[in-house]
Amino acid sequence: GENVEQHPSTLSVQEGDSAVIKCTYSDSASNYFPWYKQELGKGPQLIIDIRSNVGEKKDQRIAVTLNKTAKHFSLHITETQPEDSAVYFCAASPRLGQFYFGTGTSLTVIP
Amino acid sequence: EAGVTQSPTHLIKTRGQQATLRCSPISGHTSVYWYQQALGLGLQFLLWYDEGEERNRGNFPPRFSGRQFPNYSSELNVNALELEDSALYLCASSPGLAGWAGELFFGEGSRLTVL
Repeated sequence: GENVEQHPSTLSVQEGDSAVIKCTYSDSASNYFPWYKQELGKGPQLIIDIRSNVGEKKDQRIAVTLNKTAKHFSLHITETQPEDSAVYFCAASPRLGQFYFGTGTSLTVIP
Repeated sequence: EAGVTQSPTHLIKTRGQQATLRCSPISGHTSVYWYQQALGLGLQFLLWYDEGEERNRGNFPPRFSGRQFPNYSSELNVNALELEDSALYLCASSPGLAGWAGELFFGEGSRLTVL
């Protein structure tokens, strides 16, 4: 089955700096890659996603890149703000309804 | 519009007991997913129900079971509780498979503690 690895497990950045979280996957059938943000005491919430026919997608300060050949994808957050502090999960989906999540990255933005 | 709701918020049980967790999906959603979030292990897939049927099951022992009711709400049952079952159990819902963009909508979870 699919195996998703996520790095780093913890990340601290100064406010205004950029943050990058990287994930790799193993199943070449995976064609959908969402990123979820989980704030303390809440459930994960989708922040951005990318499909395998696209190499990059941006939404304001966040962007995701996908390298299908290398089987890795990354989340980029620019101009970080304290409210970006949360746990971020990547996921890979090889077929409808099936998701494999990474182990999460705890991001702390220092004011 | 109400989001995914889960109950109870917290549950404390002792080893060997049974736990039942409940989930109400977003109105109009027919699929319900259950995930276990244990410390340091990310989200581990447990079960997926759609239109009342079990569609997929994760790599968990049979003492983890569930069902989906005609109103699309769902419950997760964990029998013969073990200490390592202590975790946050997350429920997510999604619209029916046709035309679904892929987003999961999560509830805030039920924290199960096994003593």
